[in-house]
Amino acid sequence: EPEVTQTPSHQVTQMGQEVILRCVPISNHLYFYWYRQILGQKVEFLVSFYNNEISEKSEIFDDQFSVERPDGSNFTLKIRSTKLEDSAMYFCASSAAGTDTQYFGPGTRLTVL
Amino acid sequence: AQSVTQLDSHVSVSEGTPVLLRCNYSSSYSPSLFWYVQHPNKGLQLLLKYTSAATLVKGINGFEAEFKKSETSFHLTKPSAHMSDAAEYFCVVRGGTSYGKLTFGQGTILTVHP
Repeated sequence: EPEVTQTPSHQVTQMGQEVILRCVPISNHLYFYWYRQILGQKVEFLVSFYNNEISEKSEIFDDQFSVERPDGSNFTLKIRSTKLEDSAMYFCASSAAGTDTQYFGPGTRLTVL
Repeated sequence: AQSVTQLDSHVSVSEGTPVLLRCNYSSSYSPSLFWYVQHPNKGLQLLLKYTSAATLVKGINGFEAEFKKSETSFHLTKPSAHMSDAAEYFCVVRGGTSYGKLTFGQGTILTVHP
C-alpha cells in the first residue's frame, strides 16, 4: 500500500542553523501539508500546498519557514534559522484529488539545541 | 472556525471490555470529522471518517463512531478492547474547503490492561 515517507526520522541541530525536512508524498496525490506537534501539545497545522503554491498557512508559518516541491516526488519544509521553540515532531501529509482524506508520514523529530 | 475537544486525556480499560473515547466538535460548516490513531514511534493512521453520509461510521480494527449533530459529538467506540489498541487517538475536524487544514483535538491515550 502506498505511504508517505519522511526523512530523516530524527534531526538534531544547533539554534540558528537551517534545516530541511523532506517528504515523499503518495505518488498520485496533489495536495500536500505540513503539521507539527510540540511535545505535550496538539498537532498543529502549518501549511498546505497545491499546484506549486501555498494555498493556506497558519500564523506559525512565518518568514522563517518555506516549502518547496523541487521535483515531481519530494516536498520539503525549510526552517531558515531554527529556534529552541521549533523543537517538535513534524508531520507531512498528502491527499488526492476528489477526497478529503489526508495520509500522514511517520514524522521527523526535530531537536534544536 | 472549527475546534475539537477530547474530553479525556487518558482512558484505561481491561482487555475484552468496551472502549469509549469522547469528542465534541465546533464547526461553522457541516463538518468532516475523523479519528486518527498514533502508535508509539509511528505515524498518524486514519481510523475512520464522517462526511455527511451515514451517521454511524465503521472504521478499521472494529472501531466505530457516531455523529450526533444535536450533541455536537463524535465519540469513538469499540465493543471489546485488544492489547494492540493501546495508542493515542486524535479526533480531528476538517476546515471548510475540501482540501482544508485539519484541526486536531488534544489526544486521548488509551491504555489496555491484560
